[in-house]
Amino acid sequence: NAGVIQTPRHKVTGKGQEATLWCEPISGHSAVFWYRQTIVQGLEFLTYFRNQAPIDDSGMPKERFSAQMPNQSHSTLKIQSTQPQDSAVYLCASSQGQNSDYTFGSGTRLLVI
Amino acid sequence: GEQVEQRPPHLSVREGDSAVIICTYTDPNSYYFFWYKQEPGAGLQLLMKVFSSTEINEGQGFTVLLNKKDKQLSLNLTAAHPGDSAVYFCAVKFYAQGLTFGLGTRVSVFP
Repeated sequence: NAGVIQTPRHKVTGKGQEATLWCEPISGHSAVFWYRQTIVQGLEFLTYFRNQAPIDDSGMPKERFSAQMPNQSHSTLKIQSTQPQDSAVYLCASSQGQNSDYTFGSGTRLLVI
Repeated sequence: GEQVEQRPPHLSVREGDSAVIICTYTDPNSYYFFWYKQEPGAGLQLLMKVFSSTEINEGQGFTVLLNKKDKQLSLNLTAAHPGDSAVYFCAVKFYAQGLTFGLGTRVSVFP
């Protein structure tokens, strides 16, 4: 069991460019969560899928951020027209159900310059 | 929505001593409580998951207390060792909602 796999581990983008972050949940886990981690804000919930369907995206910035889960083996978080304030560690987690233990990936550290 | 306050933000502990991290939450209906440990460059490692019906939980080298009356969750590191140096996060969950995290406590264990 390789755990939750996030790629890339590090990404540097220029302001205004697009960034796509990938998450491969643990096989058999039906729920996938995305969080953003910064020093100032801590860990912020972004969005959540269950059985590939979007359930709650209340934490997603309405502009420029989107998330998809096209199949049960991966989810993507896309940020369009990146801004310096998007710099953060983006963490993905999966669980067998919404009330089961979460397993977090190691995160993608995004730096927008 | 739920808010979680975690203190202290930083903690220096002499090896062998104990240390306490406290989280205060606002929603009395919160149901699950978690402590996570994050080492540099790594994701969050689950230390313990606590149900609202369980007040005292013991793990390897630590104890978690849940005080529902005061809406407080605490992590007590007993006999700290260098491997305990990390950032610790508490998290609270209410049924179908996502986790709400505290801002974290950076623990440094020195000899």
